Amino acid sequence: DTEVTQTPKHLVMGMTNKKSLKCEQHMGHRAMYWYKQKAKKPPELMFVYSYEKLSINESVPSRFSPECPNSSLLNLHLHALQPEDSALYLCASSTRTSGRTDTQYFGPGTRLTVL
Amino acid sequence: DQQVKQNSPSLSVQEGRISILNCDYTNSMFDYFLWYKKYPAEGPTFLISISSIKDKNEDGRFTVFLNKSAKHLSLHIVPSQPGDSAVYFCAARGSARQLTFGSGTQLTVLP
Repeated sequence: DTEVTQTPKHLVMGMTNKKSLKCEQHMGHRAMYWYKQKAKKPPELMFVYSYEKLSINESVPSRFSPECPNSSLLNLHLHALQPEDSALYLCASSTRTSGRTDTQYFGPGTRLTVL
Repeated sequence: DQQVKQNSPSLSVQEGRISILNCDYTNSMFDYFLWYKKYPAEGPTFLISISSIKDKNEDGRFTVFLNKSAKHLSLHIVPSQPGDSAVYFCAARGSARQLTFGSGTQLTVLP
């Protein structure tokens, strides 16, 4: 089983709203990732959590706030977003082993529209 | 500066023939390479990977070739099927373990 689930599938929010994206995996993976993907562009890394601790923040604006409550869950809290933040937000997870192979498995994404 | 490049934005192939998707990279520190397939409004689906210590990995209809001296990666799909039509991304893993993606190639398999 290589399933990563994300909710909601679609989200429309105003610039003053606060919302959260959720991601869950039950593969025992200890690394989880948030990516942002704009249309016709590759996924861009936002955050990496390793063993529930934030290990990489790719200079993401503070209006995006990640949280990893436990090894299976990853949240992305959104506040005061801009219309240009509209995108597909992807969650991924990987085993984070020390070996050479460490495949990231992606969820279906949340399509976010900021009005 | 794009460290992973897919120079062909699109490729059309007849059903049953071979599809060859190419990817070039510049960072010699990349140690693991992956191919993902993506349908619109869905997350990328992992297809096949290769470690930098190998030059070929095969899984069913999919074969990935790695030429380290040329910093070139290719994905062969044979025989191609209409269901293979999607955007294909190559990705490379760096020293900090994050993935860098190419810009993608839209593959269309014609029946």
